[in-house]
Amino acid sequence: AQSVTQLDSQVPVFEEAPVELRCNYSSSVSVYLFWYVQYPNQGLQLLLKYLSGSTLVKGINGFEAEFNKSQTSFHLRKPSVHISDTAEYFCAVSDIRDDKIIFGKGTRLHILP
Amino acid sequence: EPEVTQTPSHQVTQMGQEVILRCVPISNHLYFYWYRQILGQKVEFLVSFYNNEISEKSEIFDDQFSVERPDGSNFTLKIRSTKLEDSAMYFCASSDAARNTEAFFGQGTRLTVV
Repeated sequence: AQSVTQLDSQVPVFEEAPVELRCNYSSSVSVYLFWYVQYPNQGLQLLLKYLSGSTLVKGINGFEAEFNKSQTSFHLRKPSVHISDTAEYFCAVSDIRDDKIIFGKGTRLHILP
Repeated sequence: EPEVTQTPSHQVTQMGQEVILRCVPISNHLYFYWYRQILGQKVEFLVSFYNNEISEKSEIFDDQFSVERPDGSNFTLKIRSTKLEDSAMYFCASSDAARNTEAFFGQGTRLTVV
């Protein structure tokens, strides 16, 4: 069975500073990996996904993530955050043979002025 | 841009009552899902649906839950006799490809059981 660990429940960052949100997963089989964002009082929006190919994945709003198979990680990065990036970020994994997506507990990104 | 729409956005119901949460998936999508998020907790998978039948369900999805695609556009989640612990945000999602290569989520229905 797959699982996702997001070690940081909250990450405060100053505006225009870089940020990295950490995600580790466990699975005995090949997986797809995702990052979703949930803005206040809204639904889940896909930021980016890794299915195969290049390990560096670029998403919307300037975010990118790198798949590291040896470290079973899929950390999310942005070189310069904006106040509008304030949201909860969920890392998620899906077994390539499976229907469901398994979500992490989420990391709340606080942008400090 | 096509999107998944859910109604109502907020539903308040008394314990023991039946509720139906409605979703209109993206029109050419074939795979449909329900997830829920209890306040302050992670998003949890409930059920997936393909070709007019349940393809997978979680332990949460017990006999009190059912899903239906009554026509070509709607996808519903019914909770037969709601409990206080069913209070959560319920998300519908749909995908046009097998195995969750990209699921598009709706805005959610906040269910409050009192």
